[in-house]
Order: sequence, then structure tokens, then C-alpha cells
Amino acid sequence: SYVLTQPPSVSVAPGQTARITCGGNNIGSKSVHWYQQKPGQAPVLVVYDDSDRPSGIPERFSGSNSGNTATLTISRVEAGDEADYYCQVWDSSSDHPGGVFGGGTKLTVL
Amino acid sequence: QVQLVQSGAEVKKPGASVKVSCKASGYTFTSYYMHWVRQAPGQGLEWMGIINPSGGSTSYAQKFQGRVTMTRDTSTSTVYMELSSLRSEDTAVYYCARAPGTSYYYYMDVWGKGTTVTVSS
Repeated sequence: SYVLTQPPSVSVAPGQTARITCGGNNIGSKSVHWYQQKPGQAPVLVVYDDSDRPSGIPERFSGSNSGNTATLTISRVEAGDEADYYCQVWDSSSDHPGGVFGGGTKLTVL
Repeated sequence: QVQLVQSGAEVKKPGASVKVSCKASGYTFTSYYMHWVRQAPGQGLEWMGIINPSGGSTSYAQKFQGRVTMTRDTSTSTVYMELSSLRSEDTAVYYCARAPGTSYYYYMDVWGKGTTVTVSS
């Protein structure tokens, strides 16, 4: 089955740029989606199809995807961005197509 | 507005079954697939399966094949997820999450608040 690898944690100072990576074999050929989850809350979609933002998500959130790595970039990080972030793809290559999530990255705002 | 309202917390004994509901509102129920995702305490997200509310067709993650059943009731705009033969490792928060459509259902654009299922003897 398809495996997505994320760093367990990323730390950044307020106002700086946070980059959260998601690694997978030839992930650039897939569409990657990103979710933000704050403690005790349900996940929220922040980027879909590699780089599109749902309505209501600030432009500070952006995404890219190429080769074996997808990246979620959060510009001008704010304290309210502190959360867990998950990447997700749809694996249609196996006998059991379905959703696959990365292990999640905890973003800490210093 | 689009809302997914899930049923309340459950406590079950090992070996039992649990059925979680997810009532949709604010959109045409049969026009959007529905995913189920779970999250064990302190762990990441795990995809369980997907249901087409229109025809009722389903696709389950291999890990849950034979133990999970997803159904829907179009008269009440509700989807259900039943998990049987529960074990302690099934203790988790279970989320329903809407797909963005029926022709493109590869991610989740709206999530329910989650239902906590605790499996304990």
C-alpha cells in the first residue's frame, strides 16, 4: 500500500514561514490534500489538489507537489496556526483503492 | 450551511458492535459521497471507507473488510458506520467527512465533529 511520510514536528517563530513536507513514491503524480487539526477538534481542509484553497482559508496557506515530495507552506505564521497537519492522497494503484493519510506533523509556533 | 451531525459517544465491550450515525444537512445528500475516518487517542487519521449515498455502493479499506458496514437512509439524509467484533484497539474518535462530489471524491471537504467510541471490558 502507498505510504506517506511526514516529519513529526516543525517549529517556527511568529511571522516566519513554515514548510511541512509529505513524502511518497512519485507523489507528484497524485493530487495531495492537506488538513489542519487543532486539539479536540475535527480536521479542516486547508489545501486540496496540491495547491487550491477552500473558501475561507487564508492565502497564507499554499501547497506544491513535485517528484517525491509535496509541501504545505504557511507564510507569516500566527499563533493560531499551531496545530497538527496531515497530508492525504487517494491511492488508486492497489487492489483496494482508498484514502491514505500521512502520519501528521505538529506545528509549534515558538 | 453544510452540516454533518454525528451521534453521541458510545462505550462497548470487546466483541460487541457499534453503529455510528451521521446526519447531513444543507446540501443535496445524494450528490456527495461520504467518507469515514477514525483517530485513535494520540494517533493520526485513518481512512476506513466510503459510501455513495445515492446508490449505496461502498468501498472499504482492506484493514476493515469483513468488520465494517456502511449504509445510508436517504429519507433522513443519514449515513451509518457499523463496526463489529470490537477490540480495545478500536477505541477512537470516528468521523464522517463529505467528499466534494460523486465524480471526484478523493478528499474530504466537510467533517463531522466526531463520535468517541470506547471499547473496554
